[in-house]
Amino acid sequence: GQNIDQPTEMTATEGAIVQINCTYQTSGFNGLFWYQQHAGEAPTFLSYNVLDGLEEKGRFSSFLSRSKGYSYLLLKELQMKDSASYLCAVRVEGSSNTGKLIFGQGTTLQVKP
Amino acid sequence: DGGITQSPKYLFRKEGQNVTLSCEQNLNHDAMYWYRQDPGQGLRLIYYSQIVNDFQKGDIAEGYSVSREKKESFPLTVTSAQKNPTAFYLCASRKRDTQYFGPGTRLTVL
Repeated sequence: GQNIDQPTEMTATEGAIVQINCTYQTSGFNGLFWYQQHAGEAPTFLSYNVLDGLEEKGRFSSFLSRSKGYSYLLLKELQMKDSASYLCAVRVEGSSNTGKLIFGQGTTLQVKP
Repeated sequence: DGGITQSPKYLFRKEGQNVTLSCEQNLNHDAMYWYRQDPGQGLRLIYYSQIVNDFQKGDIAEGYSVSREKKESFPLTVTSAQKNPTAFYLCASRKRDTQYFGPGTRLTVL
């Protein structure tokens, strides 16, 4: 079966750093994506990892370990506007042509002043 | 501006009625997708299309139908056979590896 796990909720303080974890057990692996979704809005693309290691993009970084089936999204210098849900999605092997993704249930992050 | 549009943002229908949700993109993307999002659950794939005049069922296709007569358009019909149609529906298109989403339509069946 396909399974992607993320914490349901997290809370952090403005200006701090937060790490959102994602673990996956899937039949093959061909890339992992992170999306941000504000309430009632569309998910917006944050990052894509297909090889092990850290990808940095401004305040956001994403890490992947394929051997451990593990990824995290790191948000630095948190701002109030970072309050949102963060979705982890995996593209399984064999889906590279279809682009099909399997999504976790999302992590709702609340940033407090 | 290039992008994906979905209309309307909110849609109300009576039980037993079919309803069609629109999805249009002017990004020249070949692949398009329909997802359903329910509270506390991840996005679930309903249908996808990799090219005009071709589409495949996703994980939860029962009670839904689609068409892909033009590259720009991928409408989704929610039929009366869908047992629990109230949800947030998201359309996406793909460029290379990444899917980009439209603003979504929130469907409420009364």
